[in-house]
Amino acid sequence: QSALTQPASVSGSPGQSITISCTGTSSDVGGYNYVSWYQQHPGKAPKLMIYDVSNRPSGVSNRFSGSKSGNTASLTISGLQAEDEADYYCSSYTSTSSLVFGGGTKLTVL
Amino acid sequence: QVQLVESGGGVVQPGRSLRVSCAASGFIFSSYDMHWVRQAPGKGLEWVAVVRYDRSNKYYADSVKGRFTISRDNSKNTLYLQMNSLRAEDTAVYYCVTSLGLWFRGLDSWGQGSLVTVSS
Repeated sequence: QSALTQPASVSGSPGQSITISCTGTSSDVGGYNYVSWYQQHPGKAPKLMIYDVSNRPSGVSNRFSGSKSGNTASLTISGLQAEDEADYYCSSYTSTSSLVFGGGTKLTVL
Repeated sequence: QVQLVESGGGVVQPGRSLRVSCAASGFIFSSYDMHWVRQAPGKGLEWVAVVRYDRSNKYYADSVKGRFTISRDNSKNTLYLQMNSLRAEDTAVYYCVTSLGLWFRGLDSWGQGSLVTVSS
């Protein structure tokens, strides 16, 4: 199963909005509404931010939102804050009964 | 609160075996599907395997199929990953992770990880 495609890096200024894309195929992202997103700060374990494409777990800020169109899912962070600087990973269920991650995106808050 | 504590990591030679464990507490372990996810040094996340809450099904990444075995002991609230025929590319931090409902919906709570280094 090939990894999902994410941009290596994105950046934005405090208060701005950014979007991270996650592109797969009809066998993963496009075929199921089981895309999730994770935030990982250096040296820490990942944290679930979005599940089922657009749902937020309890405790996650509503500045984080998810969507999907065709084979591409997206994570949008609005009102960017310094603490949002981290690595972000998408993941999807696949047709082979497995999970696949994206390569990760480093978010820099300028 | 949910606690997941991995153990058993270390340095092992290529071709040898190692078992990592995950002690769970703070939730009803026997009700949750459980995963192993790994992260090579400086690299991204890679899903490894999942076992259903009742051990009825197990699924694996192609990269470990036939070499790794995931298992659980619900009486001991413990998750295991038996790793055989280890290769240098298996070097990674191995995380124990709970599922959010059905196993493919999201990876909810993560342990702090156990480092496995495969080197001669």
